[in-house]
Amino acid sequence: NAGVTQTPKFQVLKTGQSMTLQCAQDMNHNSMYWYRQDPGMGLRLIYYSASEGTTDKGEVPNGYNVSRLNKREFSLRLESAAPSQTSVYFCASSEGPSPHYYEQYFGPGTRLTVT
Amino acid sequence: TQLLEQSPQFLSIQEGENLTVYCNSSSVFSSLQWYRQEPGEGPVLLVTVVTGGEVKKLKRLTFQFGDARKDSSLHITAAQPGDTGLYLCAGDGLMDSNYQLIWGAGTKLIIKP
Repeated sequence: NAGVTQTPKFQVLKTGQSMTLQCAQDMNHNSMYWYRQDPGMGLRLIYYSASEGTTDKGEVPNGYNVSRLNKREFSLRLESAAPSQTSVYFCASSEGPSPHYYEQYFGPGTRLTVT
Repeated sequence: TQLLEQSPQFLSIQEGENLTVYCNSSSVFSSLQWYRQEPGEGPVLLVTVVTGGEVKKLKRLTFQFGDARKDSSLHITAAQPGDTGLYLCAGDGLMDSNYQLIWGAGTKLIIKP
């Protein structure tokens, strides 16, 4: 039982390059999330998918796009990377969308550096 | 905008000491969660508190939700090196009818042997 897996673990991009961060969960969860974590700022929600077939913007969606490929997979795309997107990116999943009732499980993160 | 402030930002103490970290807001939350994060890993949920005044214990860790559901504290008794990590609180913005967690910036805790 792998839980939430993310690829790659590390990535260095040059400004303007694009890339896709991959996330998959094997817990049959309905909801999935993408966060970024910056020093001194806690986690900020980029996008989430409450259920398969739906996606919604979070607190900091600009510069990102997402795709809920199927129930298991939720990808995050940076179309034109900027240095401000240097961060650690976490994918998470939960059985349902309300954190009041459902625990979020996090992947190990992707460390992205944009030069 | 709901904000959660955690204090202290950094705490380094000797093994065996007691400590308390705080999570404060001016907003009311439906529930509040505490996570621990170790270097190179994602956060792991420790506890969710949902009722004002609620106290939950997890071995040597005691979590309390304020009566007004605006603040919370985490108390660790007889800290051990294994308690080292980043402790994050996150509030459930259910009151605002969305599914987003509001996160504090964290308290980095180091327990020295």
